[in-house]
Amino acid sequence: GAVVSQHPSWVICKSGTSVKIECRSLDFQATTMFWYRQFPKQSLMLMATSNEGSKATYEQGVEKDKFLINHASLTLSTLTVTSAHPEDSSFYICSAKNLQTSTDTQYFGPGTRLTVL
Amino acid sequence: GENVEQHPSTLSVQEGDSAVIKCTYSDSASNYFPWYKQELGKGPQLIIDIRSNVGEKKDQRIAVTLNKTAKHFSLHITETQPEDSAVYFCAASIRGNNRLAFGKGNQVVVIP
Repeated sequence: GAVVSQHPSWVICKSGTSVKIECRSLDFQATTMFWYRQFPKQSLMLMATSNEGSKATYEQGVEKDKFLINHASLTLSTLTVTSAHPEDSSFYICSAKNLQTSTDTQYFGPGTRLTVL
Repeated sequence: GENVEQHPSTLSVQEGDSAVIKCTYSDSASNYFPWYKQELGKGPQLIIDIRSNVGEKKDQRIAVTLNKTAKHFSLHITETQPEDSAVYFCAASIRGNNRLAFGKGNQVVVIP
């Protein structure tokens, strides 16, 4: 149990285009999902907390108009990187908390490698 | 906010030996401490976690110990195997607070 998937696993796009990344909890319901960004050889940086049916909470310094987050159901959250630039190239990882168990545990997805040319 | 530090940054061990990674945290209100293993190009995988009401937890070759007085917790891997080679992240959070504060990670290399 507690499986989180992401799609796509990697994406290459041109500068100025938008990219959507999906995060799904496959075998549990998640009222709260998180989006992280990770640069090479660095730790995970929390970008935003996504709550089902409400607006996401963004961390300081993260542009909400650039990183659009939608959490329309208990099993799906999406992150859209708008007008992508090369500096947005990174490893994007989502995580989810299990509604039923109501613990603090976050289960992570496999990540999405974004490369902006 | 919570600040979590990990030491050492890199750890090399001979296959079969034990590996220990230590993390310190700053906020005494933190009460949940997970450890994640991340292999290259993959997402972090939860390997063990501990809550502040216990001092030690073990799962086969992996154990975590918590010292609330000193505000540090450690990951112990016994009988290391090459597949244990990865980056290990510790984290801490306060119950009810969604945010996990991560350490910078430890690169563990198990030498065959």
